[in-house]
Amino acid sequence: AQTVTQSQPEMSVQEAETVTLSCTYDTSESDYYLFWYKQPPSRQMILVIRQEAYKQQNATENRFSVNFQKAAKSFSLKISDSQLGDAAMYFCAYRSSGGTSYGKLTFGQGTILTVHP
Amino acid sequence: DAGITQSPRHKVTETGTPVTLRCHQTENHRYMYWYRQDPGHGLRLIHYSYGVKDTDKGEVSDGYSVSRSKTEDFLLTLESATSSQTSVYFCAISDPRKSYEQYFGPGTRLTVT
Repeated sequence: AQTVTQSQPEMSVQEAETVTLSCTYDTSESDYYLFWYKQPPSRQMILVIRQEAYKQQNATENRFSVNFQKAAKSFSLKISDSQLGDAAMYFCAYRSSGGTSYGKLTFGQGTILTVHP
Repeated sequence: DAGITQSPRHKVTETGTPVTLRCHQTENHRYMYWYRQDPGHGLRLIHYSYGVKDTDKGEVSDGYSVSRSKTEDFLLTLESATSSQTSVYFCAISDPRKSYEQYFGPGTRLTVT
């Protein structure tokens, strides 16, 4: 079974600065997807970014980018020019690519990000 | 936003009582999921459905059952609620025709006293 570990329960950053959230995972599969989800106080789960394991290029979405190290099984999220609205719980998640996985997600424990003005 | 609703949004119940949570989607997505969120554990899969009347267990299925009689509805039942089932419950949907992208409902906060 796959596992996802987020070793930073809490992180903080000053507004306009850059912060990196860490995620490691364990799998024996070669093809899979990785995700970062944001959960603000409203509790809504919002997809921030996704990475396909067969793509070597790191995914980027505006101020959000990832550092995907497949051999090290590491998937970190970098938030540049942090904004107050970035304050939230962030979850790393894994999904197998095979059809028999039925799209199930395995989540990490979450990291609470605080943004200081 | 994907059309996913959950009801009720909040519920307080007593130990030993049965509880049913409902997830309703208007997206005609084939797959549906129930997760629970607890501090220190992230979200964990309880049960999932890959079609009408087709369901299977997830990581933390003990004490829960599910049913899906229509594409749009996925019910989660706690047969006899316990305090350990106090949690926030999320429903999600996905579809292989749309790259299994998973969309989440707003969540239900359940408190078992």
